[in-house]
Parts: sequence; C-alpha cells; structure tokens
Amino acid sequence: KAGVTQTPRYLIKTRGQQVTLSCSPISGHRSVSWYQQTPGQGLQFLFEYFSETQRNKGNFPGRFSGRQFSNSRSEMNVSTLELGDSALYLCASSLVLSAGGEDEQFFGPGTRLTVL
Amino acid sequence: AQSVAQPEDQVNVAEGNPLTVKCTYSVSGNPYLFWYVQYPNRGLQFLLKYITGDNLVKGSYGFEAEFNKSQTSFHLKKPSALVSDSALYFCAVRDTFSSGSARQLTFGSGTQLTVLP
Repeated sequence: KAGVTQTPRYLIKTRGQQVTLSCSPISGHRSVSWYQQTPGQGLQFLFEYFSETQRNKGNFPGRFSGRQFSNSRSEMNVSTLELGDSALYLCASSLVLSAGGEDEQFFGPGTRLTVL
Repeated sequence: AQSVAQPEDQVNVAEGNPLTVKCTYSVSGNPYLFWYVQYPNRGLQFLLKYITGDNLVKGSYGFEAEFNKSQTSFHLKKPSALVSDSALYFCAVRDTFSSGSARQLTFGSGTQLTVLP
C-alpha cells in the first residue's frame, strides 16, 4: 500500500505570497491532519479533516486554512506568508475505525517551506 | 489540557547497551500514548502505542514501552541499541475524555538519540 504523499517536497516563497501544499493519504484513510514542525516550537497541530469537514483546529492564525476533497486528499493554504512560516509541514492520515481516537497516524515526508 | 514532557533533549548510548527515552504526560482522563521516530529529512514513523491492557507494549524494530499510570510515564526502551537507531524520537498523547479541539494528538518536544559505535 502506498504511503502518505506530499507535494511539493520543497518550496521557496517570499514574504506576502501565498502557498498551497497538497497531501494524498493512504488509500482508505478518512482523516488527514496537518502539523507544522520548527526547531523552536517543535511539532504543532494545525488542523484535522474528516470526511471533508474540519474536525479540529490548532492555535494558528486565520492565514492558515485547509480543505479536504471527497477522495480524502487534502490541501493546506497559507496566505500572506511571513518569515516565521518557514517550517516543515507534515501531513498525517489515519484510518479512524471508531471515534475513540486510538488509531495511529501515518506521516508523509513533509513539505519544506522556506520564506525569504 | 493534555501535555507531554520529554525531559531529555539528547540521549547518548553505546551500541549494544540498553536505551531508554523518557516521556511523561498529563491528561484529564485516560491516555492514548504513542511513540514516533523521525529520521533526517523524513516524516514521522509510528513505533508503538498504548491504548489499554498490558502495560508493556512491544513495537517495531525491537522497541518497547512501559505504561506507568501512577508515575504518568511511558518510557521507550530497547534492550540493545543499534547505530541505526540514531534519530529523533517523539512521544505523543491523546486524552480519551476530551472533545473537540482537545482530541488532537499532542507531541512532546522530541529527544535526539545518538547511538555511538
């Protein structure tokens, strides 16, 4: 079974621009979560989508948004980029057999975003 | 609110020696606990999880972890370390009694494990 894929792997943008990152989950997985990883803040939860609906949201400004399509693929968008948005953005999918939350997440390789 | 602490930023161990990476957690209800490993320029890989039942959980690559409710700990262990185990290790928790945004997975700050040949 193919793993979680993320495109692009690397991205360089300038301040003020916007960016869209894409994530394809493992086939059959219905939940997609996004995380931001930086050396200073570690792994921070951005949001989770399940069946095209945002189910959870972390403590990030409204410049960060996302969506999920009917095939479970997900995109996240960051508008008006700031230098501090430079990070590794990780996508993770999970099967969600029940509402209990015991399913592990499977991570993609990430998109390395550099904002100049 | 749920939280995870990994008190050691760096752990060094000689190859062949046992290794321990520490993790403590705080939740309102019962925890679901996870360990992940991250190699350079890669995403996180799932190692093992504790949901319920036996306190000793066995996972991938010979790793195991012991859930200790009284000490609110979930330390990762391996009897004999390999150089290839060198990586960044993350502990994560989800509170079973939370709802809404609190149902998210919360990660620790990570522990860099270096196994010396």
